[in-house]
Amino acid sequence: GQNIDQPTEMTATEGAIVQINCTYQTSGFNGLFWYQQHAGEAPTFLSYNVLDGLEEKGRFSSFLSRSKGYSYLLLKELQMKDSASYLCASLDSNYQLIWGAGTKLIIKP
Amino acid sequence: IAGITQAPTSQILAAGRRMTLRCTQDMRHNAMYWYRQDLGLGLRLIHYSNTAGTTGKGEVPDGYSVSRANTDDFPLTLASAVPSQTSVYFCASSDSDGGVGRAFFGQGTRLTVV
Repeated sequence: GQNIDQPTEMTATEGAIVQINCTYQTSGFNGLFWYQQHAGEAPTFLSYNVLDGLEEKGRFSSFLSRSKGYSYLLLKELQMKDSASYLCASLDSNYQLIWGAGTKLIIKP
Repeated sequence: IAGITQAPTSQILAAGRRMTLRCTQDMRHNAMYWYRQDLGLGLRLIHYSNTAGTTGKGEVPDGYSVSRANTDDFPLTLASAVPSQTSVYFCASSDSDGGVGRAFFGQGTRLTVV
C-alpha cells in the first residue's frame, strides 16, 4: 500500500530551528513535495525534491533520500507566522499526489 | 478572478439533498482535482481531470460525481448527501506540462451534512 508518515505535532521556540521528518512508501516515485497550510486556509506549495540532497530556499530547506524513502523540511529562524501545518506529499507512478496527514507546528515566544 | 475560486465557502446541508460545489480557475491549467480534508487524515483525492473532457476516480469517489466541460470549470456534485460527507473540500489545479504536483488550491468549502 501507499503510506506517508509524519509526526502529528511539534513545538518549537521563536528564533530556533526545527526539522519535520517524513517517510514515504508509494507505488513509484516522481518527487516529494512540502506544502504549508495555515489554520482555516488552503495549502500552499513550499518545495519540491526529485533528486537526493538538500534544496535551500531562504529560511526553508528540504532534503530527500530516495534510497531511504525519507525527507525532511528544515525551518530556520522561526517566526510566529510559521505556526501552521506542514504537509508532506509524494508523487506516485500515476503522477498523483499521496498526502501525509500533516504536522502541526506550534511556535512559542 | 485570480487563481482558483470555490463556491460556496461554507454550507449546511440536509441529508439526502443534492449539492454542487463549484470550482473555477483562470490559470489555464490542464489538470484539476477535488480533495476532501478530514481531521487527522491527509488530503484524499475524490476525482480528478487531466484535461477538459476527461475525468478519473481518486481514492474516495463514492457518492460524488464530476464533469469537465471546459478547461476552467470543475464542479463536484453530491447526489444525495450523507453525514459522512461532512468535510472541508478543496479544489486544486496544476499545470500538467511539467508542473504536476505543484498544485494551486482554492480557499476550500466547509460542508456540514446534518
